Amino acid sequence: DTGVSQDPRHKITKRGQNVTFRCDPISEHNRLYWYRQTLGQGPEFLTYFQNEAQLEKSRLLSDRFSAERPKGSFSTLEIQRTEQGDSAMYLCASGDSALTYEQYFGPGTRLTVT
Amino acid sequence: DAKTTQPPSMDCAEGRAANLPCNHSTISGNEYVYWYRQIHSQGPQYIIHGLKNNETNEMASLIITEDRKSSTLILPHATLRDTAVYYCIALSGGYNKLIFGAGTRLAVHP
Repeated sequence: DTGVSQDPRHKITKRGQNVTFRCDPISEHNRLYWYRQTLGQGPEFLTYFQNEAQLEKSRLLSDRFSAERPKGSFSTLEIQRTEQGDSAMYLCASGDSALTYEQYFGPGTRLTVT
Repeated sequence: DAKTTQPPSMDCAEGRAANLPCNHSTISGNEYVYWYRQIHSQGPQYIIHGLKNNETNEMASLIITEDRKSSTLILPHATLRDTAVYYCIALSGGYNKLIFGAGTRLAVHP
């Protein structure tokens, strides 16, 4: 499978715990995006990487959230001290700067904070 | 980026054309119109995009009015698998972070 993959697909955690999600983009895609989607809403942009550089962070990305893309390939999104309001689907997408209009999304990681 | 307005829901009979409208009256000259869809429990999927000319690909056609204030996504022969939420997004170039609205929930029925 050469699409975007995300791991885990589902995560249940207790409030206050830290969680980390991984995204593997399509190989050679230099752009990587993280979005968050709550029930009944469209996805909301969180952050964007071009290669290993994090070029934009949304105001939604509080200081409890951190994202990395250390070698310009896979990315991780960590949430510290999770809160119930963090429960959502976390989506990763990748794109090629030569194809600016198309982003390929992964299946998402569904986080439930109890 | 321009705001888009879509009907919250639409129905379509299987085999018929599904025409999904989108208003983007404040769109500027360098903003493209993109369409994505999201089938239940999956990530969004790119469908098509355009600037001012009509576009067609293997999935759909995009008709943009001459004044570019609205557009219509056409699925020529809808199938049950086209049941999804369809998002119309208007934005300029650059790295294209997508700003999703609520979209149109299309239900295709037998």
